[in-house]
Amino acid sequence: DADVTQTPRNRITKTGKRIMLECSQTKGHDRMYWYRQDPGLGLRLIYYSFDVKDINKGEISDGYSVSRQAQAKFSLSLESAIPNQTALYFCATSDIAGVGGSGEQFFGPGTRLTVL
Amino acid sequence: RKEVEQDPGPFNVPEGATVAFNCTYSNSASQSFFWYRQDCRKEPKLLMSVYSSGNEDGRFTAQLNRASQYISLLIRDSKLSDSATYLCVVNNRGGSYIPTFGRGTSLIVHP
Repeated sequence: DADVTQTPRNRITKTGKRIMLECSQTKGHDRMYWYRQDPGLGLRLIYYSFDVKDINKGEISDGYSVSRQAQAKFSLSLESAIPNQTALYFCATSDIAGVGGSGEQFFGPGTRLTVL
Repeated sequence: RKEVEQDPGPFNVPEGATVAFNCTYSNSASQSFFWYRQDCRKEPKLLMSVYSSGNEDGRFTAQLNRASQYISLLIRDSKLSDSATYLCVVNNRGGSYIPTFGRGTSLIVHP
């Protein structure tokens, strides 16, 4: 079984709809991240969480919200989807670099979201 | 200036060639560095960490130059299967180690 799973894998929705993307991990990591990837723009950080009670905005958090329901679960919501949120979304986890860990990130397979 | 910069390429090389990519970073307090590989429409996966003394893993060699603030990846004897996008990742200090990704360098290895 995959260490980091994302659901759904693909989603097509309409402008104005509320969408939730879910992420689960079995790595036992405290740190979880949500990224979006657009052609030519690389991976951009939306939100990150260092533990269940610690959630932080990334560089492009406007229009998104998150919920860390448990150490293993981190969900991303688009309250009112718009077409420019069409992208590939990745969830990732990591341990803490420099504290007995490598800081390596492990990614889920991605969710391809299309907003019409 | 972007925090982490890479030449997007594509680098188009024949099988067996040696190819090198650089990645520059702007935050001198950056503490840890990585190269990830991403195949088309797939998730990124760690290729190798980059250590201060440089490190090698088979045909791949990574180097860190703190004075000039760049890291490099050298691929020797390129294979068709090396075709992918290579992402540079820099973790910044402050106790947070927030990873910042470069936009990636595309490599195409042809027969």
